[in-house]
Amino acid sequence: DTGVSQNPRHKITKRGQNVTFRCDPISEHNRLYWYRQTLGQGPEFLTYFQNEAQLEKSRLLSDRFSAERPKGSFSTLEIQRTEQGDSAMYLCASSYPWRGATDTQYFGPGTRLTVL
Amino acid sequence: EDQVTQSPEALRLQEGESSSLNCSYTVSGLRGLFWYRQDPGKGPEFLFTLYSAGEEKEKERLKATLTKKESFLHITAPKPEDSATYLCAVQLSGNQFYFGTGTSLTVIP
Repeated sequence: DTGVSQNPRHKITKRGQNVTFRCDPISEHNRLYWYRQTLGQGPEFLTYFQNEAQLEKSRLLSDRFSAERPKGSFSTLEIQRTEQGDSAMYLCASSYPWRGATDTQYFGPGTRLTVL
Repeated sequence: EDQVTQSPEALRLQEGESSSLNCSYTVSGLRGLFWYRQDPGKGPEFLFTLYSAGEEKEKERLKATLTKKESFLHITAPKPEDSATYLCAVQLSGNQFYFGTGTSLTVIP
């Protein structure tokens, strides 16, 4: 299966600790998105990359959050000084939009973060 | 303000009982509307992309349609395995994406 993969699948941490998640997109996809989803809500956009360039960040994204995509392949999302409100499912998606076309995203299984 | 609203929030159907889910949007510069299925504890699974009003797409028991203000996901003769949360999302001209909160569908045998 060559879909989007995310690691770890589950992470439990204590408040104040730093955590890092990894996303490996579908190999030919040049766009990579990060979302956060809480129970009963739809995914909420955090940030996205085109190749290695981070093109947009949500205004809701705290400066404790940082994302990278070195070499335009896998991406990491780091949360520093975690808070209980950071507990959520973190989803990664990738896409390969043709010029002028819409951007169909394919999602990974997500990383479930629990902050105690 | 750009908004995506899905209704109903939850829907219970008997197996074989057809119905429709609604996604209404108030956005400017729509580039596309997407439907996803999400099972508990998993990432959303892509179903359809719709580009313009009047467009329809089908896959097995599902059919998605799009008008200028809303989209419908029709489920014909559903089976218990169709039970899931169905999400719609819109892509705007600036490449922003907004998701609705989803419709939780339960199909009872």
